[in-house]
Amino acid sequence: SQQGEEDPQALSIQEGENATMNCSYKTSINNLQWYRQNSGRGLVHLILIRSNEREKHSGRLRVTLDTSKKSSSLLITASRAADTASYFCATASPDSGGGADGLTFGKGTHLIIQP
Amino acid sequence: DAGVTQSPTHLIKTRGQQVTLRCSPKSGHDTVSWYQQALGQGPQFIFQYYEEEERQRGNFPDRFSGHQFPNYSSELNVNALLLGDSALYLCASSWGSPLSSYNEQFFGPGTRLTVL
Repeated sequence: SQQGEEDPQALSIQEGENATMNCSYKTSINNLQWYRQNSGRGLVHLILIRSNEREKHSGRLRVTLDTSKKSSSLLITASRAADTASYFCATASPDSGGGADGLTFGKGTHLIIQP
Repeated sequence: DAGVTQSPTHLIKTRGQQVTLRCSPKSGHDTVSWYQQALGQGPQFIFQYYEEEERQRGNFPDRFSGHQFPNYSSELNVNALLLGDSALYLCASSWGSPLSSYNEQFFGPGTRLTVL
């Protein structure tokens, strides 16, 4: 089953504009991670935000986390054609034995940047 | 420094057959996780290996099994293949099991399995 739900499913914008993607999840988490996937190949880690953090920046990326609403957003500023990809949020939650369950991914947002 | 590598890149099998996929983790990593990604979906966690043992398992049947070797590389085996097993199989490496999912995961390029 998938915990995360990204919104929108697909987004098409002009180069230079900002892109915002949202993610909602269901259970308590240790952290939330965003990944990028190009053309159905391997995923690339973008940013990790812990449950006690509210906002995090990395270059042109800004991630927010609202644990009360169980939601996160990823903002990509000044988009480029190379940002065209699918973006996934993934949550890491504690298991019942003091460890961590495997990452739970959403279905992803497909972002298209038009030149 | 080589990242996570997977082999083969593509594989075509028929229903009922068995398949073995291979993964070598990033240098310095000791934990390997496997994910299945169906077309248009996000990856789903299959299981995780650490110290040559399965430590965590997702909601997958026993037809899916694995192995980790002393050099940390890993294999994913799927028996009695079904059409629904067609997917991209991703391997991810990390460190720090049993809390490795709390860390950044490094993914390989995946193996695309087609079951006819």
